[in-house]
Amino acid sequence: GAVVSQHPSRVICKSGTSVKIECRSLDFQATTMFWYRQFPKQSLMLMATSNEGSKATYEQGVEKDKFLINHASLTLSTLTVTSAHPEDSSFYICSALQGSLYSNQPQHFGDGTRLSIL
Amino acid sequence: GNSVTQMEGPVTLSEEAFLTINCTYTATGYPSLFWYVQYPGEGLQLLLKATKADDKGSNKGFEATYRKETTSFHLEKGSVQVSDSAVYFCALSETGGTSYGKLTFGQGTILTVHP
Repeated sequence: GAVVSQHPSRVICKSGTSVKIECRSLDFQATTMFWYRQFPKQSLMLMATSNEGSKATYEQGVEKDKFLINHASLTLSTLTVTSAHPEDSSFYICSALQGSLYSNQPQHFGDGTRLSIL
Repeated sequence: GNSVTQMEGPVTLSEEAFLTINCTYTATGYPSLFWYVQYPGEGLQLLLKATKADDKGSNKGFEATYRKETTSFHLEKGSVQVSDSAVYFCALSETGGTSYGKLTFGQGTILTVHP
C-alpha cells in the first residue's frame, strides 16, 4: 500500500515552455503533499507544501509564480514550472502524507521527474 | 533550525560486510527519525523509522536506534548485499511548531557493494 505515482518520469523541452508534473496518491487520500527538488548528488530541498483545497506554502527562496502548485483533490497535486529555463533543469520529487499532518505518519515518495530544459 | 548530518561517502563494501552509516541531528523539539533509500533514477523509499527515544526501527535486515542522549540514529546492517547499493538518506520530521511534518534530510550517503 501507500503508492505514490508521479508523471511524467522524464521531460525534455525548449526554454520558455511551461511543464506540468502530476503527483497522485493511488491507494490513500493525501491532504498534504510536498514538492522537493534534488540537484545531482545532493540532498532533497523542500520547495513547497501542497494543501488540498488551499494555497500552497512555499519555502523561503522559492518563487511561487515560477512554481505553481495546485492540489484540487485528495489524490492529486500538480507542479507547473512556468516559462522554464535551463537553470530549472533538475530532478523533482513529490511525496504524499498518509493521514493528517499531525498524525506522525511517514511521507511516501513518487519516483521523481527528470526535467531537462534545452 | 533543524539539521541532519550524515557520514560522508561514498561507502564501498564487499558483499556480506557489516555496514554502519552514521547520522546525527539537531532539533528544537522531539522529532521523528527516518531512513530513506534511493535507487538510481528513482524516488525515495522509506526504509525504517522511529518516533521516540530508544525506539528501534528495522526493515530488510537494516536497523537504527533513536538515541536522544547522543542525538543519533545510525543505520546498521550485519551483512550487506549487492542489491543494497543505493543512496541512503537520514531525515527528521518535527512534531511541533510551524515545521510540523516537514522533513529535513541529511546530505545522503552513497553505498556501493561489490560481489
